[in-house]
Amino acid sequence: DAKTTQPPSMDCAEGRAANLPCNHSTISGNEYVYWYRQIHSQGPQYIIHGLKNNETNEMASLIITEDRKSSTLILPHATLRDTAVYYCIVRVKTGFQKLVFGTGTRLLVSP
Amino acid sequence: KAGVTQTPRYLIKTRGQQVTLSCSPISGHRSVSWYQQTPGQGLQFLFEYFSETQRNKGNFPGRFSGRQFSNSRSEMNVSTLELGDSALYLCASSPQNTDTQYFGPGTRLTVL
Repeated sequence: DAKTTQPPSMDCAEGRAANLPCNHSTISGNEYVYWYRQIHSQGPQYIIHGLKNNETNEMASLIITEDRKSSTLILPHATLRDTAVYYCIVRVKTGFQKLVFGTGTRLLVSP
Repeated sequence: KAGVTQTPRYLIKTRGQQVTLSCSPISGHRSVSWYQQTPGQGLQFLFEYFSETQRNKGNFPGRFSGRQFSNSRSEMNVSTLELGDSALYLCASSPQNTDTQYFGPGTRLTVL
């Protein structure tokens, strides 16, 4: 079972910031938070991951709370092409661990 | 760098047949994982190969098998196809088995 909880759907206006929340209250100290997205039945696309510090890359920012029990993925200027299902996953980085996908958040970006 | 490639992209088979799907990982990646995605079950892990050895396996029947070659390319086989095997089959690769996995576009299998 997935160890994360996400809202099933969210809406965002084009050009505005999209803030996607994720709860992972049972996260262990050695588990990272990963975000992927899947656009219309294509393969999932890696976005970003982090352990406890906030992270930023060319696609998004990841904000992890101090107690690490929740996080927020931020798409600073959402475009129509960001419409997708976003998955939040926790996994360790020691030894192989399969990715356990929950149901994700369906983000709809509208003009 | 080229991404993960999967062939074929679409496939139609009938019940009882077998099928082989192919995955070419990103150059330099040695770990290849396979996932099945269906509307009812979502994304589920099938198995993982690292340096030609299957190191991890999901909860799927023995009809699902795979292998990895010395160049890290991987194939998965499904024998005696059932209607429920209709799915999007995804391959993901990573440099080492602890690293971030990058997915291919998937193979859409339809079983009639």
